[in-house]
Amino acid sequence: NAGVMQNPRHLVRRRGQEARLRCSPMKGHSHVYWYRQLPEEGLKFMVYLQKENIIDESGMPKERFSAEFPKEGPSILRIQQVVRGDSAAYFCASSPLAADRGNEQYFGPGTRLTVT
Amino acid sequence: TQLLEQSPQFLSIQEGENLTVYCNSSSVFSSLQWYRQEPGEGPVLLVTVVTGGEVKKLKRLTFQFGDARKDSSLHITAAQPGDTGLYLCAGASNTGKLIFGQGTTLQVKP
Repeated sequence: NAGVMQNPRHLVRRRGQEARLRCSPMKGHSHVYWYRQLPEEGLKFMVYLQKENIIDESGMPKERFSAEFPKEGPSILRIQQVVRGDSAAYFCASSPLAADRGNEQYFGPGTRLTVT
Repeated sequence: TQLLEQSPQFLSIQEGENLTVYCNSSSVFSSLQWYRQEPGEGPVLLVTVVTGGEVKKLKRLTFQFGDARKDSSLHITAAQPGDTGLYLCAGASNTGKLIFGQGTTLQVKP
């Protein structure tokens, strides 16, 4: 049973370009979470999605960031018009259960975004 | 805003010593998870504690959840160089998101 998969593992973008980060949850998991780890900082929650629904996006910046988890295919975190401050490691986690029924989250290896 | 204070931030000990890492909060969590993260990789789940007062053991690692579900500790007995790494605690809110502590970087010298 494959774990959470993220691609690409490393992504370099120039300021103003778009970044698309992909996450395939573990088999059987329908709950996906995105977290960001800035240099020298801890992991911060960004967004929680179920298939075709955004459940909690309280950690997402109001502009330029969006996330989706379609019925088919991976979850996508999209960052438009990237700036240097977006450089960070972005982690996806998946869970088999809803938040109110236990919440063990399994993390992918992350995507390291560098904005030049 | 829920916060989780993790201490110590850095710990350097000799092989064979014991150590304890603490996570404290003023908020109640529905569960608390401990992770270990290697450089360049994602956090790997070690254990989840759910019930106040719960104690779980994983070989030389002992995890405890406080009675009020606001704090937790990780105790390592007879640390080995292979235990070196970043240890993270994370409290689960009822909405699903994890609130992470700042992490403890552990170095065990042979």
